[in-house]
Amino acid sequence: DGGITQSPKYLFRKEGQNVTLSCEQNLNHDAMYWYRQDPGQGLRLIYYSQIVNDFQKGDIAEGYSVSREKKESFPLTVTSAQKNPTAFYLCASSIGGAGTGNYGYTFGSGTRLTVV
Amino acid sequence: AQKITQTQPGMFVQEKEAVTLDCTYDTSDPSYGLFWYKQPSSGEMIFLIYQGSYDQQNATEGRYSLNFQKARKSANLVISASQLGDSAMYFCAMREGWISGNTPLVFGKGTRLSVIA
Repeated sequence: DGGITQSPKYLFRKEGQNVTLSCEQNLNHDAMYWYRQDPGQGLRLIYYSQIVNDFQKGDIAEGYSVSREKKESFPLTVTSAQKNPTAFYLCASSIGGAGTGNYGYTFGSGTRLTVV
Repeated sequence: AQKITQTQPGMFVQEKEAVTLDCTYDTSDPSYGLFWYKQPSSGEMIFLIYQGSYDQQNATEGRYSLNFQKARKSANLVISASQLGDSAMYFCAMREGWISGNTPLVFGKGTRLSVIA
């Protein structure tokens, strides 16, 4: 079955550590996205990629980094520069391309990151 | 400025009754799409319904309908015959320049719906 897989489901980070959240899709989608969810804040865009080897910053990119070396994969690294990383992180993908704007996202099941 | 505003942080509804979740949006782009997602306590995001800015009729999907009032820039979700399983967070989202499916969705802060037996 096609889908989008995020791992791990739970992640604990020590102060000053970098951690990487995995996101893999087998839907052949061009575009992939990372959102952060905090209570009462909704989903805020961190980074997105519309094509392999290209990505753009979202609204809250500071302290995060991404790569898009393969169409299927869009890992997110939470660096030590992110001062408040405890949150729920959602990865999503969409078809992309002209005429596909009515298609929404396929979401992963999320990664809950906690700083200990 | 907020592009998507959901003014109801929490709502309660009696089982089997209808409920309306409010969403207003702000855009100057004539081409846009509006989406509603449901997020149960498990955290997964479930797509419910879509409305395009050029669609002449309000979208419907089973018990979900979208009350689209373009002049007022509102896209309220109506859930008919509420069920206990409808208890969840609900997010309204918008994609500007909808013709391309690559542009990111902008989400509102959500409304938590609780269905009471």
